[in-house]
This record gives sequence, structure tokens and C-alpha cells, in this order.
Amino acid sequence: DMKVTQMPRYLIKRMGENVLLECGQDMSHETMYWYRQDPGLGLQLIYISYDVDSNSEGDIPKGYRVSRKKREHFSLILDSAKTNQTSVYFCASSSGGLSAETLYFGSGTRLTVL
Amino acid sequence: QQQVRQSPQSLTVWEGETAILNCSYEDSTFDYFPWYHQFPGESPALLIAIRPVSNKKEDGRFTIFFNKREKKFSLHIADSQPGDSATYFCAASRGSNAKLTFGKGTKLSVKS
Repeated sequence: DMKVTQMPRYLIKRMGENVLLECGQDMSHETMYWYRQDPGLGLQLIYISYDVDSNSEGDIPKGYRVSRKKREHFSLILDSAKTNQTSVYFCASSSGGLSAETLYFGSGTRLTVL
Repeated sequence: QQQVRQSPQSLTVWEGETAILNCSYEDSTFDYFPWYHQFPGESPALLIAIRPVSNKKEDGRFTIFFNKREKKFSLHIADSQPGDSATYFCAASRGSNAKLTFGKGTKLSVKS
């Protein structure tokens, strides 16, 4: 069963705290993504990872960093979270390599920064 | 700069009608154009996709029409059903980097 798992599902943090969002996939996909979704703005690409330690900025990388030390695991880190980083964060994976074939999304993490 | 523009923001149709959702793009190197749908409280999922080798792609009640010259593509949902009510996102990417850029979405409501 193909699955992308995100943890945690809900998270509340205070401004200035560090945040770690974790994502795992069981499909051995090379490419993984982090998007954020805000009302009226659609899905915005934060980072893309093409494989272990092969990460590239997306459209809105500022304030975020990522880590991928194993193919099945991709983490998003917010150092000193800001209130404008309150959002729903989606992780996704794809088997398409350099071609954005079907993206499989996790169930999302709703992050609130107070 | 918004690379993928989507319209309308919201659309209401009656059951049985054809819903038409529109997208345009700016980057002529884009070569893959999917549509994703997202039901309330759920994550996005691929609905249908097209590559510009053809100008039409059908899958049941869902059809993509693609116009390379005008850099536009649209999703037609025939015989719309209340269960089609969701937010639909168009997207685009180029084959060289797998970065998928999404539009802002169209919220479709199908009334019975």
C-alpha cells in the first residue's frame, strides 16, 4: 500500500521556537517535496529533494531548511518559527525522477505559530 | 511572478451541467500539465494530466483541453455530480527539474 506519512498531524508552537516536521514514504521514491497551503494561495513549493542529500529550493524557501539522510525520510525544519509560518504543510513524493509524475501527498501537518 | 494562473476562483454549477475550469501559464518550457483535486479535510490527489504532444486528454467525465499557442489549458467536467464538489488545482512543470508549480485553485460546488 503506497503511503506518505506525516507527523505530527497538528502542532502548536510559540514564536521563536524551533519546529521539526517529519515525512516518510514507503514507495522508494527518489523525489520528495514540501509544500505549504494557505487559503487562496494554493500550494506553494518550499523545497524539493531529488535523493539523499540532493535538495533544491522551491519558490518560497526563506525561513525553512530541509534534511534528507535516507531516501524514505524527508524533514522540514523551521528555525525560530514566525507567526506567518502558520499554515498547512504537505509532504509529497514522486517516482518520476526529474519529471514531476504523480505526486502522492501525505495527510498534512497543521502548524500554528502563536 | 505567478507562473500558473487559474480561473475562476469559485464556480457553482447544477448537477448534470458541464463545469469548465481554466488555467494559463507563462513558461513555454513547461511540458507536463496535471490537474489535482482536493476534498475538504483531505490532501490533494492527481485527477488527470496531459503532455503537449496532444491537445486533448479524456478520462471518463474529465477532459483536459490544451492550447499550446495560447498557453492555456482547461478541465471540463461533464455531467457534474455533487460528489465532484472540491477544490481543483491546475499545475505545470518542465521535465528537467520535477518542480511542480500549482495554480491557486478553483472551488467547485455542484448543486442538486
